[in-house]
Amino acid sequence: GAGVSQSPSNKVTEKGKDVELRCDPISGHTALYWYRQSLGQGLEFLIYFQGNSAPDKSGLPSDRFSAERTGGSVSTLTIQRTQQEDSAVYLCASSTYRGRETQYFGPGTRLLVL
Amino acid sequence: AQTVTQSQPEMSVQEAETVTLSCTYDTSESDYYLFWYKQPPSRQMILVIRQEAYKQQNATENRFSVNFQKAAKSFSLKISDSQLGDAAMYFCAYRSVQGGSEKLVFGKGTKLTVNP
Repeated sequence: GAGVSQSPSNKVTEKGKDVELRCDPISGHTALYWYRQSLGQGLEFLIYFQGNSAPDKSGLPSDRFSAERTGGSVSTLTIQRTQQEDSAVYLCASSTYRGRETQYFGPGTRLLVL
Repeated sequence: AQTVTQSQPEMSVQEAETVTLSCTYDTSESDYYLFWYKQPPSRQMILVIRQEAYKQQNATENRFSVNFQKAAKSFSLKISDSQLGDAAMYFCAYRSVQGGSEKLVFGKGTKLTVNP
């Protein structure tokens, strides 16, 4: 079946603008995760959804970052007032159930803030 | 907090040879999962192999196998009969199974080059 999809594939924006990144998980996967991959910090966890709720938001770096998930499926990660340090690849992953299941990743969105 | 360390930023191997990538981790938990993911230039993170901590037997997937040493908190990946398509970044990752800790904790990665 179809894997995790993310859009856009690449995004270039100007400092101070807001951006929205989209993730479509594998059908039937109830758990959804966002990670950020940057040169300086490696791969960092941002937020975890189980259904539409987010039990773990501990990785969101500032209040400029928010995420939502609707209908237990698509998720949107929003970055407000982007800064140059937000430039990174944003990866989304999904799994069937919490705790013991493998996370499957999408191809990521490369964000460049000028 | 759990940490994962990959001490080899880069490794190279000749085609058809065997290479071992190292990973160590730190945790106080007794039950957890360990993973190796591969990331080619396409950016797609691909699961290579996973190991449940409660299983003593080392996981194997075709040419990929692990050496899991729980007491030493070591989790190395062996790639046999290396192929050009194995060239990629390899990430070791830890996942707790305790409630509320769903995230993967990643190492910094090892860049593997396969020479023809």
